[in-house]
Amino acid sequence: QKEVEQNSGPLSVPEGAIASLNCTYSDRGSQSFFWYRQYSGKSPELIMSIYSNGDKEDGRFTAQLNKASQYVSLLIRDSQPSDSATYLCAVSSGGSYIPTFGRGTSLIVHP
Amino acid sequence: DGGITQSPKYLFRKEGQNVTLSCEQNLNHDAMYWYRQDPGQGLRLIYYSQIVNDFQKGDIAEGYSVSREKKESFPLTVTSAQKNPTAFYLCASTTGAAGYTFGSGTRLTVV
Repeated sequence: QKEVEQNSGPLSVPEGAIASLNCTYSDRGSQSFFWYRQYSGKSPELIMSIYSNGDKEDGRFTAQLNKASQYVSLLIRDSQPSDSATYLCAVSSGGSYIPTFGRGTSLIVHP
Repeated sequence: DGGITQSPKYLFRKEGQNVTLSCEQNLNHDAMYWYRQDPGQGLRLIYYSQIVNDFQKGDIAEGYSVSREKKESFPLTVTSAQKNPTAFYLCASTTGAAGYTFGSGTRLTVV
């Protein structure tokens, strides 16, 4: 059984701070890693994907992958109240490309 | 603009009734998926299709049925055999390892 674990939160950070969201996974053969943002009552939106060890930056977002530790994280710099949402981690192995989703971490950015 | 259209946005089902949720995409994606999301739960895979006229059961297929007669369309029927259908239903598509594009979702309630 492939598992993806996330702290459910909520993670509360002040506006302008760095929010750090973490995710661990059980399948060592995993190859593709995704972060989705889901606002309350809305559908998930893909914000980051990462496939190799190290950091990947896109604007205020940085995804970090460490396959040896089976760990992927998402950093949000200069957090804004509009970043308040649930962040879903998803992990897939090769072949079917069907990811396993974590339950998500709720992020609250307060002014 | 390309995307995935789900309809209706809200759906009410009476006991013993079958209902069909629509999912249409104009992204030219081969693979399409149906997920169910319950409060505080992760996304659970119901059915998926990687090619026209072929589909596979996901983790929670009992009480659901699908068809894939056209590349653009992947409707989901919630049958009377599904005893706890109240949930948020999400349709997604992808070309492969690039991550999902989700529709806006259908919220189904039993009345």
